[in-house]
Amino acid sequence: AQSVTQLGSHVSVSEGALVLLRCNYSSSVPPYLFWYVQYPNQGLQLLLKYTSAATLVKGINGFEAEFKKSETSFHLTKPSAHMSDAAEYFCAVRIYNNAGNMLTFGGGTRLMVKP
Amino acid sequence: DVKVTQSSRYLVKRTGEKVFLECVQDMDHENMFWYRQDPGLGLRLIYFSYDVKMKEKGDIPEGYSVSREKKERFSLILESASTNQTSMYLCASSFGRGVAGEYEQYFGPGTRLTVT
Repeated sequence: AQSVTQLGSHVSVSEGALVLLRCNYSSSVPPYLFWYVQYPNQGLQLLLKYTSAATLVKGINGFEAEFKKSETSFHLTKPSAHMSDAAEYFCAVRIYNNAGNMLTFGGGTRLMVKP
Repeated sequence: DVKVTQSSRYLVKRTGEKVFLECVQDMDHENMFWYRQDPGLGLRLIYFSYDVKMKEKGDIPEGYSVSREKKERFSLILESASTNQTSMYLCASSFGRGVAGEYEQYFGPGTRLTVT
């Protein structure tokens, strides 16, 4: 069965510091992995996705994530945090059954950026 | 640009009322999904649909039903609202059932439902 674990429900960084949000997955098939961002009072927006091409994936707003099969990880990073990055971030993995493709989500990590 | 719209941003209902949440997408997507979002629990799938008039139960279908009479519209129904259904409800859509899973889901803005 496929699942996702996000380590740390809250992460706080200073403006300009490195952002690292952790995601580990479990999948019995080659995984497709996604990171979404949710700003206050909004829906989820796709940041980036891994679909078995390059292992380092670049997304919007300067974020990137690296797929590491040996570590079953897909951590999200950004070299320099900006105040506007404060949001909740969700990692998700594709699951597939007879009904089709779906996503299963981690519990989310709330990123706070201090001035 | 894909657009997924939800009928209400905020809704307040009384216990026992029947509640309808509507979702419309404009990209001709086959798949549509309803999630509820609660702090610390992430998103949990309630129901999804991969075609008109088709529906599949997700992880937490109890107390909910759905309707998909047209491809672009997917409705979530709370037959008799209860206080433990107070939550944020998110609708999403994606490309079809038969394709590989690389296509992302597009989300609406959410409906924050309060049941008193």
